[in-house]
Amino acid sequence: EPEVTQTPSHQVTQMGQEVILRCVPISNHLYFYWYRQILGQKVEFLVSFYNNEISEKSEIFDDQFSVERPDGSNFTLKIRSTKLEDSAMYFCASSVGTGGTGELFFGEGSRLTVL
Amino acid sequence: AQKVTQAQTEISVVEKEDVTLDCVYETRDTTYYLFWYKQPPSGELVFLIRRNSFDEQNEISGRYSWNFQKSTSSFNFTITASQVVDSAVYFCALRPGGSYIPTFGRGTSLIVHP
Repeated sequence: EPEVTQTPSHQVTQMGQEVILRCVPISNHLYFYWYRQILGQKVEFLVSFYNNEISEKSEIFDDQFSVERPDGSNFTLKIRSTKLEDSAMYFCASSVGTGGTGELFFGEGSRLTVL
Repeated sequence: AQKVTQAQTEISVVEKEDVTLDCVYETRDTTYYLFWYKQPPSGELVFLIRRNSFDEQNEISGRYSWNFQKSTSSFNFTITASQVVDSAVYFCALRPGGSYIPTFGRGTSLIVHP
């Protein structure tokens, strides 16, 4: 069964360092998302991406965040200068479309620990 | 604005008990979609079910069943004869028809003891 894959599964970094989280969405999906879950808290929307551009973003997604689809398969989230409060599980998701069902399929998450 | 409330933060049951996880939502949209996701201890988010606002028919899948009631804006999830493997955090989510971004509730942690 097709699935969303994410790497790395866990990354530890020092405050102020740049981090890139990678995702390979399901191949026939057109919409891509990043969500964040701080430990024990709710799953929060960060950004959605369609047709090679950001289609929607939350107020969490400030200037230190960026997303990119550098090739036909990868979808990346970059955090330029990490802060302690960026420590969280980051989930990538993809969906076929937005009409009708449009359920999101999530990857297994990348746990980011900022020291 | 959309809102999803899962009032139960944690539920603890003994194996084989039935358990119902509550989800109450708020939206002004007439077309919307409701979802349940499971997050086991390993951390991934697993899609369980989708229901659209026009379909109030309840659904049963094995030991899982979902009760959607528009009159009370609720979409509750029942696990019959719970098992230890059901232990997880369960999230309810709402996606309005005019958006493709689901909003998640805070989740209910279900602990099933042997």
